[in-house]
Amino acid sequence: EAGVAQSPRYKIIEKRQSVAFWCNPISGHATLYWYQQILGQGPKLLIQFQNNGVVDDSQLPKDRFSAERLKGVDSTLKIQPAKLEDSAVYLCASSLPGTGGVYGYTFGSGTRLTVV
Amino acid sequence: AQSVTQLGSHVSVSEGALVLLRCNYSSSVPPYLFWYVQYPNQGLQLLLKYTTGATLVKGINGFEAEFKKSETSFHLTKPSAHMSDAAEYFCAVTTNSGNTPLVFGKGTRLSVIA
Repeated sequence: EAGVAQSPRYKIIEKRQSVAFWCNPISGHATLYWYQQILGQGPKLLIQFQNNGVVDDSQLPKDRFSAERLKGVDSTLKIQPAKLEDSAVYLCASSLPGTGGVYGYTFGSGTRLTVV
Repeated sequence: AQSVTQLGSHVSVSEGALVLLRCNYSSSVPPYLFWYVQYPNQGLQLLLKYTTGATLVKGINGFEAEFKKSETSFHLTKPSAHMSDAAEYFCAVTTNSGNTPLVFGKGTRLSVIA
């Protein structure tokens, strides 16, 4: 089966610019996650979707980050305006609904964002 | 809330030596535990998981881990390190509620010396 697709792989922007990342999960995986991985740290959950509804966005900096999954399939994560501390790898993952705790997640390759 | 502590941000072993990566967790309910591996410029790949049943679990590439409830630990081991094992390893925890997201440790970078 095809894996979780993410694009772009790399992005360099200046601070205060905006940027968007795209993720297409595995077909049939209703649950989608966005994680932020800062260099030297473990992934931190930003937002969790179940179909097109938000399950958990408690750690999403809503003043600058937004995410949507309008049709319950692919998802977009946006940062506007970007700050230097947003430099990180943004990982998308998906799982079958209600099964993430049993089977784990499938991760994409990530988007490496550098803010200069 | 769940949390994970990985002892040692960097572990270095000789090729052929035992690999031991430590993970301790905190959870108020029975945990589900995972080890993921991340190679440079790649996403996370599942190595192994513990949900219920046998406490010694075997994963890919010769790795295994043992769930010890009394010690709240889930250490990862491999009898003989190979150069290709050099990577970042993450321990993660969730619960048996399907919608609880994975919480990751800070990771341990494994170096293998020839």
